Amino acid sequence: SQTIHQWPATLVQPVGSPLSLECTVEGTSNPNLYWYRQAAGRGLQLLFYSVGIGQISSEVPQNLSASRPQDRQFILSSKKLLLSDSGFYLCAWSVQGASGELFFGEGSRLTVL
Amino acid sequence: SQQGEEDPQALSIQEGENATMNCSYKTSINNLQWYRQNSGRGLVHLILIRSNEREKHSGRLRVTLDTSKKSSSLLITASRAADTASYFCATASNSGYSTLTFGKGTMLLVSP
Repeated sequence: SQTIHQWPATLVQPVGSPLSLECTVEGTSNPNLYWYRQAAGRGLQLLFYSVGIGQISSEVPQNLSASRPQDRQFILSSKKLLLSDSGFYLCAWSVQGASGELFFGEGSRLTVL
Repeated sequence: SQQGEEDPQALSIQEGENATMNCSYKTSINNLQWYRQNSGRGLVHLILIRSNEREKHSGRLRVTLDTSKKSSSLLITASRAADTASYFCATASNSGYSTLTFGKGTMLLVSP
């Protein structure tokens, strides 16, 4: 069966520090991969999605970046965090080529102080 | 901007009652999906309804879709305290490859 792992679960970082959130998927090949951010009391905002290794599409301009160094690995990064980067970050995957369901990780809670 | 908008924003009911949540969207869709999120957790897919379907059932869940009104509803029958969660609708457009666009969610509280 397919599983998705996301870490770290909780992170407290000072303003200006770097960020790296990692997500890996097991049990499937060539998935679509996604990073969403959820601000308190709000819906999900799509940040990045990827349909293959090295292929990243950005939905929202920001100081975050994403990379997909391997088929089932998706990394969210920042060189210098802002206060506004605080939030709940969710990684998800879906079957390639379909407008089907998303399978989400358990999320990473980022607090920037 | 958000494609789906859920209504109400919050709903409080007693165990055993039915809960109805609504979702409205703006553009043509390929399908509409409902997800559930327990506090501080990831989202879990509940049900998908395609644009050519009008109603779908899954256990205690019933989803309707009215493409002429660009709206959907999620009915949870005989609610339980364990149904307490936030519920989101998400739409997939029918214009080529698309990603899902989520609404802001309805927070459901079911009291014992």
